[in-house]
Amino acid sequence: DAGITQSPRHKVTETGTPVTLRCHQTENHRYMYWYRQDPGHGLRLIHYSYGVKDTDKGEVSDGYSVSRSKTEDFLLTLESATSSQTSVYFCAISEQGLNQPQHFGDGTRLSIL
Amino acid sequence: GQNIDQPTEMTATEGAIVQINCTYQTSGFNGLFWYQQHAGEAPTFLSYNVLDGLEEKGRFSSFLSRSKGYSYLLLKELQMKDSASYLCAVITNAGKSTFGDGTTLTVKP
Repeated sequence: DAGITQSPRHKVTETGTPVTLRCHQTENHRYMYWYRQDPGHGLRLIHYSYGVKDTDKGEVSDGYSVSRSKTEDFLLTLESATSSQTSVYFCAISEQGLNQPQHFGDGTRLSIL
Repeated sequence: GQNIDQPTEMTATEGAIVQINCTYQTSGFNGLFWYQQHAGEAPTFLSYNVLDGLEEKGRFSSFLSRSKGYSYLLLKELQMKDSASYLCAVITNAGKSTFGDGTTLTVKP
């Protein structure tokens, strides 16, 4: 299995608080992604990174920011969490190349009350 | 933009064959992935198609027709452990992946 660790695995917090999720990889892959998955839905891309300090927005980026200061770490921040951001968040990594599959972390279950 | 359609649910019998379809509309198509996701777990990679035709990998095969914007995943000799969601994902030339909502397959004895 690809070495991907997401932390925390579970978090409950209140509306309006900042939240940071961490994705750590040991594979030295160039590409890293953050997705959210809501019940009955597939994965929706929030942000992705194609190198250190190189990031781009996905289809549901509003309310989220990311940072990648090292190859191995990709952080997702909710500056002021809202109940609509309650979801399961998955991090994924892939090697360079459009034919490369993504390997996913175990997910973070985030509840915002 | 991208649009990907898959059936929401399917049911099949252990030992049978099932075909899960995926249709897509996209610009800059550069490949289609299938992933399997068991309940409460992370998705795992099953197959990749970029050229028309069938790719076979053990009990699983995946087919692509680029002109029709169509793919299917074929599962043979179904086992109970194949009960899962199957996600179709299209990747564009820009390197972004768009996922369908997934098909939940239930395998019954």
